[in-house]
Amino acid sequence: QQQVKQSPQSLIVQKGGISIINCAYENTAFDYFPWYQQFPGKGPALLIAIRPDVSEKKEGRFTISFNKSAKQFSLHIMDSQPGDSATYFCAVPFTGSARQLTFGSGTQLTVLP
Amino acid sequence: GAGVSQSPSNKVTEKGKDVELRCDPISGHTALYWYRQSLGQGLEFLIYFQGNSAPDKSGLPSDRFSAERTGGSVSTLTIQRTQQEDSAVYLCASSSAGTGIEKLFFGSGTQLSVL
Repeated sequence: QQQVKQSPQSLIVQKGGISIINCAYENTAFDYFPWYQQFPGKGPALLIAIRPDVSEKKEGRFTISFNKSAKQFSLHIMDSQPGDSATYFCAVPFTGSARQLTFGSGTQLTVLP
Repeated sequence: GAGVSQSPSNKVTEKGKDVELRCDPISGHTALYWYRQSLGQGLEFLIYFQGNSAPDKSGLPSDRFSAERTGGSVSTLTIQRTQQEDSAVYLCASSSAGTGIEKLFFGSGTQLSVL
């Protein structure tokens, strides 16, 4: 059974603060590890992804930190803005899953103005 | 169109009725996925199509669920004898064979409500 545990379930941050969302997985995984962002009434959209052979990737205010040995990765949103308010999903591509991602349960982020 | 299109956007049905949900993937994308998103839950994989290969149906929750993809493009997800627990948002995604597994393009989904 492929398990992906995402925390916290919800997060409230003041504007300008740092938002941190964590994801842990079990069993073997390969390929890129993505984070998706979903606004109400829309489908998820790829936000940022990291290769398994690097420990950190930064794109603007968004950073993924990856700890392969611990099977954990996290999303950091620096200088959080009200427009970042959305639901965030981590996803893990597991070996032998025929090109399908297993998603975390999601984190609802609210950034207060 | 430029993105993945799903129809209808909302569907209300009575318990026991059959429903069909449609997905138009991005032109040229050979891979197509169906996911289900229940309130407050993550995305649950349902089925995956890749070109002319046999689909991966490992995520379908029961034999009431089926899907087909005609001509390698449009896909239809059919739920027979709907139950209240089928109420959810059904999301379709597509990707190009040349891109990584992590790059899925999602439609806006169909909100299914079973009364």
